[in-house]
Amino acid sequence: EVQLLESGGGLVQPGGSLRLYCVASGFNFSSRAMNWVRQAPGKGLEWVAAISGSGDSAYYADSVKGRFTISRRNSKNTLSLQMNGLRAEDTAVYYCSKDASYDYGANFFLDYWGQGILVTVSS
Amino acid sequence: SYELTQAPSVSVSPGHTASITCSGDKLGDKYVYWYQQKTGQSPVLVIYQDTKRPSGIPERFSGSNSGKIATLTISGTQAVDEADYHCQAWDSGVVFGGGTRLTVL
Repeated sequence: EVQLLESGGGLVQPGGSLRLYCVASGFNFSSRAMNWVRQAPGKGLEWVAAISGSGDSAYYADSVKGRFTISRRNSKNTLSLQMNGLRAEDTAVYYCSKDASYDYGANFFLDYWGQGILVTVSS
Repeated sequence: SYELTQAPSVSVSPGHTASITCSGDKLGDKYVYWYQQKTGQSPVLVIYQDTKRPSGIPERFSGSNSGKIATLTISGTQAVDEADYHCQAWDSGVVFGGGTRLTVL
């Protein structure tokens, strides 16, 4: 059974930093791209970042480029999202999600999602 | 940038058929994916590559995609199907629709 468990969320002041983690199990972690998708309160889904199965390639939404960094440690089945320069508009539930493909691309879709972790940016 | 448009809400009576649409330019040339999200829960994939159902998704869920419109159809809608439904496609990057709240009443 595929499981994705996020941690690391919480309340942070504008301009601050936070690091999210996701521990995966139940599948060959290194064989699949991984993603972070967020959902602001009462809003739709917004893709944030993706990383290839090997970790060699990373991709970002324009809204977070230069501020967020996605990484993975395949030996530990762990995905991370380092978030710097946080803004009020980054407030959302962040989902760790498994891509059905090895790399981010035209065959993109997400076949498993974690339970989500809330990040609140406020003074 | 590419946009996917969904109606904010759709209502259906139990046992009837619900149709949830997603529109975008030349959408029929792309694969469309549908995610169900019940209140307070994470999304679940219910349709992939326009028409395919993942293992464990009931047969009452089906999808189609042609022209500018993709449709998620729920036949014999049940109360447990009440949820937000999000469409997704790829256009030089992943694109999500705004989501449709399905109310079963």
